[in-house]
Amino acid sequence: KNEVEQSPQNLTAQEGEFITINCSYSVGISALHWLQQHPGGGIVSLFMLSSGKKKHGRLIATINIQEKHSSLHITASHPRDSAVYICAVPNTGNQFYFGTGTSLTVIP
Amino acid sequence: NAGVTQTPKFQVLKTGQSMTLQCAQDMNHNSMYWYRQDPGMGLRLIYYSASEGTTDKGEVPNGYNVSRLNKREFSLRLESAAPSQTSVYFCASREAHGWGAGETQYFGPGTRLLVL
Repeated sequence: KNEVEQSPQNLTAQEGEFITINCSYSVGISALHWLQQHPGGGIVSLFMLSSGKKKHGRLIATINIQEKHSSLHITASHPRDSAVYICAVPNTGNQFYFGTGTSLTVIP
Repeated sequence: NAGVTQTPKFQVLKTGQSMTLQCAQDMNHNSMYWYRQDPGMGLRLIYYSASEGTTDKGEVPNGYNVSRLNKREFSLRLESAAPSQTSVYFCASREAHGWGAGETQYFGPGTRLLVL
């Protein structure tokens, strides 16, 4: 049983398209994290959110605590957005549950 | 700040060889983690350290040992490498933002390990 489920696993989009990646979780959380892993391998934190919506440039993350669901949206997608996007939620023991990631490829 | 640094970046081992992966952070974080990442499986926790002098097993600790040498450094040791340990290893540290305010994890660049 996975505490964090992401969909889709793989996603290919044309440049300029609006993209949505979904994350569902089964545990109670204080906050949810979205991470980005570029083809070179490095992982960076994009968002931490506990309610509502956050926006950084063309990236928007939303969360519905009651439904235990979060979405990551990318507006006007660009090839440089090609990466693996990972959803993570903390547990009560200072650890994290991770989704298996969504691999996004944006084609020019 | 260098953030989280890891060495080496790449390593090839023969079955049975030993090695230590080094990790250091300069952000004064208490919590540090070692993960492995395998295709289709996401990040899995090997060991973590909530503070200097303490370590705890994660989801996949078998075949590994760790040392939290001081607040900055957290090393991962493979005593007798096996092909099943071929993976990408990430070290991370965690910044807590205070009660109820969540946290942020900072990741190192990763170590690609191939065990033949």
